[in-house]
Amino acid sequence: EVQLVESGGDLVQPGRSLRLSCKASGFTFDDYAMHWVRQPPGKGLEWVSGINWNSGTISYAASVKGRFTISRDNAKNSLYLQMNSLRREDTAFYYCTKDSNAAPGGRFGNWGQGTLVTVSS
Amino acid sequence: ESVLTQSPATLSLSPGESATLSCRASQSVGTYLTWYQQKPGRAPRLLIYDASTRATGIPPRFSGSGSGTDFTLTISSLEPEDFAVYYCQQRSDNWPPVFTFGGGTKVEI
Repeated sequence: EVQLVESGGDLVQPGRSLRLSCKASGFTFDDYAMHWVRQPPGKGLEWVSGINWNSGTISYAASVKGRFTISRDNAKNSLYLQMNSLRREDTAFYYCTKDSNAAPGGRFGNWGQGTLVTVSS
Repeated sequence: ESVLTQSPATLSLSPGESATLSCRASQSVGTYLTWYQQKPGRAPRLLIYDASTRATGIPPRFSGSGSGTDFTLTISSLEPEDFAVYYCQQRSDNWPPVFTFGGGTKVEI
């Protein structure tokens, strides 16, 4: 059974940094691209970033480009999101999701339970 | 970058009725259009991909259609568990791709 477990969400002040982690199990992690998708409480979904199986292809939403960095460690079956210069509008549940392909561009068939990031002073 | 517009924002229906949800793209996306269902407090669930292919385990009352810029998700006879928010999603043509979600349609009793 595919499992994705996010961690690292917290209350953080504007301008500070935070690192999210996603631990994957139940599938061959380095066969698939991975993504982060976020959802402000009570609002819709926003794709944040994606990474292919070997970290050779990475993309970001315009709203986070230059501030967030996605990475993965295939030896640890883990996906990460380093978030710098956080803004109040980054407040959201952050979901880790598995692509159906090794390169980003397939469907998001498996999702974690989400971790909440709150940016507030 | 293509924008996805979903309509209506809210659909009020009764169990047993049929639901028709619309997703319109500002630029052609071919058949790369995906639908997700989300219930309160839960992560989204994949329903339909490539505009019309049901994901594993999705019952046949869910069907998707369309291509280019106009897409439809139809739920033929609503079950109580179908009342939820539905999102469409597209992938850009450029590389590496970026992904966009529509604003969602809430199907309520």
